[in-house]
Amino acid sequence: QVQLQESGPGLVKPSETLSLTCAVSGYSISSGYYWGWIRQPPGKGLEWIGSIYHSGSTYYNPSLKSRVTISVDTSKNEFSLNLSSVTASDTALYYCASGRGPEYHLDYWGQGMLVTVSP
Amino acid sequence: DIVVTQSPDSLAVSLGERATINCKSSQSVLYNSNNKNYLAWYQQKPGQPPKLLIYWASIRESGVPDRFSGSGSGTDFTLTISSLQAEDVAVYYCQQYYSSPLTFGGGTKVEIK
Repeated sequence: QVQLQESGPGLVKPSETLSLTCAVSGYSISSGYYWGWIRQPPGKGLEWIGSIYHSGSTYYNPSLKSRVTISVDTSKNEFSLNLSSVTASDTALYYCASGRGPEYHLDYWGQGMLVTVSP
Repeated sequence: DIVVTQSPDSLAVSLGERATINCKSSQSVLYNSNNKNYLAWYQQKPGQPPKLLIYWASIRESGVPDRFSGSGSGTDFTLTISSLQAEDVAVYYCQQYYSSPLTFGGGTKVEIK
């Protein structure tokens, strides 16, 4: 059973970079699947941020592409999200998730991590 | 981007009754080469991540009760809960994965009447 767990700072200052890591257990990232990030502002809907394959190929939402970097560390079996120049509108619950393709349904989800952008 | 619109925003259904949620995409999500609709449904309970219920518009994920069913093709889809149970209280989202960026509907909140 694939399990995902997000970690990182829960509070980020405006204009700084939000950094989160998703640890994967029960499955080797190198075995396949695409690994992605989705966010949910408090009380609102879901927004896909982007995803990555173990080879390093990345797929980003154009609305965030200029500020997003997703990377993978196969040796640690984890992948990461960096979102630069954050503002209060980036405050959200950030989920990591996995799917069998870059454009696919999402089979497994982490529990989510609330990140607040505030001075 | 493909815009995905759900209706209604919320609905209240009596226990044991049918709940129906609609999802409409701004363009067809049917891939003609494999005749598959690139549409999924998720259930999100309070304080929990979304859980995959249905994919390819009508295929139930393993372990999902058979009271949940998905139907539709092209641009119009439906999630039906045939007999609402107390544990089905949640927000339901549809998602298209026909093209990037992946996009979700705004969600439908299902409550007990």
